[in-house]
Amino acid sequence: AQTVTQSQPEMSVQEAETVTLSCTYDTSESDYYLFWYKQPPSRQMILVIRQEAYKQQNATENRFSVNFQKAAKSFSLKISDSQLGDAAMYFCAYLFNAGGTSYGKLTFGQGTILTVHP
Amino acid sequence: DTGVSQNPRHKITKRGQNVTFRCDPISEHNRLYWYRQTLGQGPEFLTYFQNEAQLEKSRLLSDRFSAERPKGSFSTLEIQRTEQGDSAMYLCASRVNRGPFPNYGYTFGSGTRLTVV
Repeated sequence: AQTVTQSQPEMSVQEAETVTLSCTYDTSESDYYLFWYKQPPSRQMILVIRQEAYKQQNATENRFSVNFQKAAKSFSLKISDSQLGDAAMYFCAYLFNAGGTSYGKLTFGQGTILTVHP
Repeated sequence: DTGVSQNPRHKITKRGQNVTFRCDPISEHNRLYWYRQTLGQGPEFLTYFQNEAQLEKSRLLSDRFSAERPKGSFSTLEIQRTEQGDSAMYLCASRVNRGPFPNYGYTFGSGTRLTVV
């Protein structure tokens, strides 16, 4: 079974600074996707960034980028120029891509609470 | 509003009572998922529908849990004889069955928070 581990229950960062959230996963599959989701308090889960395992290039989305190390099964999220609105719970998630289509069942990590200090 | 709607937002119930939650997905999304999220943890998969067919159920979904999606539109999740351990956030998500996944991702609802007292 696939597992996702986020070893940092809480992280904090000063506004405008950079922070990195860690994630490791365990799988025997080679074709999968990895995601970072943001969950603000009492609000819905929002996709931050995604990475296809077959792509060597790390994904970037504006201030958000990932460091994907497939051999090490590591998938960290870097948030640059942190903003107060970035404060939330962040979840790393794994999706096994079965034969090009997928039921879409996500496996989530435990989450990291990010606090942004003004 | 074209998002995923979940009702109620909050539910407090006494142990042993039955509760039912509703999820209205985005209208063109034919895949619907239920997850359970306990405090301080990540969501855990409960069950999945493609149209009206329930195609997968987690072992977390005990006999007291039942989910339906009549006519492939909205879905309901019922918990019978609630226990304190059922206290959690119940999340619904939907997506369209078209093309490779990364191009057509999930939309999550805001969840129903259940407290069993």
